[in-house]
Amino acid sequence: AQSVTQLDSQVPVFEEAPVELRCNYSSSVSVYLFWYVQYPNQGLQLLLKYLSGSTLVKGINGFEAEFNKSQTSFHLRKPSVHISDTAEYFCAVTLNQGGKLIFGQGTELSVKP
Amino acid sequence: GAVVSQHPSRVICKSGTSVKIECRSLDFQATTMFWYRQFPKQSLMLMATSNEGSKATYEQGVEKDKFLINHASLTLSTLTVTSAHPEDSSFYICSATGFLGANVLTFGAGSRLTVL
Repeated sequence: AQSVTQLDSQVPVFEEAPVELRCNYSSSVSVYLFWYVQYPNQGLQLLLKYLSGSTLVKGINGFEAEFNKSQTSFHLRKPSVHISDTAEYFCAVTLNQGGKLIFGQGTELSVKP
Repeated sequence: GAVVSQHPSRVICKSGTSVKIECRSLDFQATTMFWYRQFPKQSLMLMATSNEGSKATYEQGVEKDKFLINHASLTLSTLTVTSAHPEDSSFYICSATGFLGANVLTFGAGSRLTVL
């Protein structure tokens, strides 16, 4: 079975500072990896995904993530955050495109002025 | 492209009544739809997977008689919470997967159910 662990439940940062949201996964087979953002009382918006190829994936809103197979990690980064980045971020895995997603516990990113 | 509409966005009902939530793929045919439940400050937990024209597959611990899922067409799946109780209050989110030039997987905006 697959599982996802987001190592930080809350990450407070100041505006324009860099941020890294950590995600580790467990699976005995190859998986696809995703990062989603959720604003209060809204659905999920896809930030980026890793399917294959280059391990550095660039997404929307200036976010990027790096797939590290040896460390089974898929950490999300942004070099300079904005107040508007304040939201909940979820890492997720699936065995196949279009399959059911297994989500991590979520990381609440709070950007302060 | 790949838009999923979920309705209603908010619903309040009395204990003991049933509530139906719709999930529609607007511009693609959804071969599979997924229903998730999210409690406050928690992650999304998969409830069931539904394929058009067949019975839904429920995750362990999810009561299929309480959470009725129907996927009658390639663009519509419904979740009916039967005899709702306050503990059923939650945020329900659907996602749909299909093909629109490429494989797509899109989430609806969610439905907040409050049972009084």
